[in-house]
Amino acid sequence: GAVVSQHPSRVICKSGTSVKIECRSLDFQATTMFWYRQFPKQSLMLMATSNEGSKATYEQGVEKDKFLINHASLTLSTLTVTSAHPEDSSFYICSAQGSTEGEQYFGPGTRLTVT
Amino acid sequence: AQKVTQAQTEISVVEKEDVTLDCVYETRDTTYYLFWYKQPPSGELVFLIRRNSFDEQNEISGRYSWNFQKSTSSFNFTITASQVVDSAVYFCALSDSKAAGNKLTFGGGTRVLVKP
Repeated sequence: GAVVSQHPSRVICKSGTSVKIECRSLDFQATTMFWYRQFPKQSLMLMATSNEGSKATYEQGVEKDKFLINHASLTLSTLTVTSAHPEDSSFYICSAQGSTEGEQYFGPGTRLTVT
Repeated sequence: AQKVTQAQTEISVVEKEDVTLDCVYETRDTTYYLFWYKQPPSGELVFLIRRNSFDEQNEISGRYSWNFQKSTSSFNFTITASQVVDSAVYFCALSDSKAAGNKLTFGGGTRVLVKP
């Protein structure tokens, strides 16, 4: 099956700094990737849709200037949390859309802690 | 707007008991996809099943079975003869068509605790 990786798996950063999370499709090309956020004991919420070569589409309530998404190649999308604050601490999960209708492959997630 | 409701937030059973997780969805799309995922404590989502809106056949995979009822907009999941390893959070999700972006909407999740 298709494999999606995320790096890093865990990151701790200080308040005010920025952190970048990478999402890679290892054995297939993904024109579309998705970024989700999951707070403790809550469900996954879609943050944005990342399209290769174009601007990301953000869901309502998600600050595009705070969560920068770059999808520069067919196998890599990055999410940068800028000027992170403790309330940004969360589990960030990416997924990549497969070639078949309805397919999505999830990465293992990145746990971000902002101190 | 799409919506997925998992009314049960937590279910606790004793090993070997059957457990059924409910999922009710709302969508205006005629083409859509339904999913179930398992999320163990490690956090990684484990894909269990994908069903498209035109396929109402029920499915069985080992101890897992799914009941898709389009008439009641439900896609319920049953674990037969539960095991401790089944303890996890289970999410039901709904995706619109690829043309509409294939965005996934997740239910709130049901935490299953299987006691030995």
